[in-house]
Amino acid sequence: GEDVEQSLFLSVREGDSSVINCTYTDSSSTYLYWYKQEPGAGLQLLTYIFSNMDMKQDQRLTVLLNKKDKHLSLRIADTQTGDSAIYFCAESSNSNSGYALNFGKGTSLLVTP
Amino acid sequence: NAGVTQTPKFRILKIGQSMTLQCTQDMNHNYMYWYRQDPGMGLKLIYYSVGAGITDKGEVPNGYNVSRSTTEDFPLRLELAAPSQTSVYFCASTLGAVTEAFFGQGTRLTVV
Repeated sequence: GEDVEQSLFLSVREGDSSVINCTYTDSSSTYLYWYKQEPGAGLQLLTYIFSNMDMKQDQRLTVLLNKKDKHLSLRIADTQTGDSAIYFCAESSNSNSGYALNFGKGTSLLVTP
Repeated sequence: NAGVTQTPKFRILKIGQSMTLQCTQDMNHNYMYWYRQDPGMGLKLIYYSVGAGITDKGEVPNGYNVSRSTTEDFPLRLELAAPSQTSVYFCASTLGAVTEAFFGQGTRLTVV
């Protein structure tokens, strides 16, 4: 299948901004998603962006999409210790089986006081 | 609404045993999916269903079977459990194509 790549770890201090990056290869990707997974829990949708957009802002979250470079980023402003979790980038397109999500391996975000 | 409910939350199986992981959703979603998550990896698609009576293989279907007799339920069957099936299993559902996926809390399975 098509690839979704993310860096594996990110550590930031409380109050700083976090930027998590993702690249993907499927040029037909329609929607791109960010999911959050806390320890022992399922995946929670944080935000998503349609492929014809280049930016979406939702409170502390800003998603940037560079479709030409197939690069997606998630910026979390004023990062808090409760933001410590694994963040998954995912894409869907009509080339995916049953429009299933294709996930990256996840970025572990550690927020230190 | 309960959303997507998976049972059991944890299970230990011996090699060669079989079991069924249950998944039910109460949102009247057409699409349902089973993923497995191995440590340090993303989620891999095992099977999916686009509606009652319709199922198809995903990326890693070997050793598993599914059925979809109702819109609500999408059980995953493991026959002859193997250590390679030790993983966390997630069920998900969506209303239609390319819409928000809702996930269950996961089933942590260990095969010894």
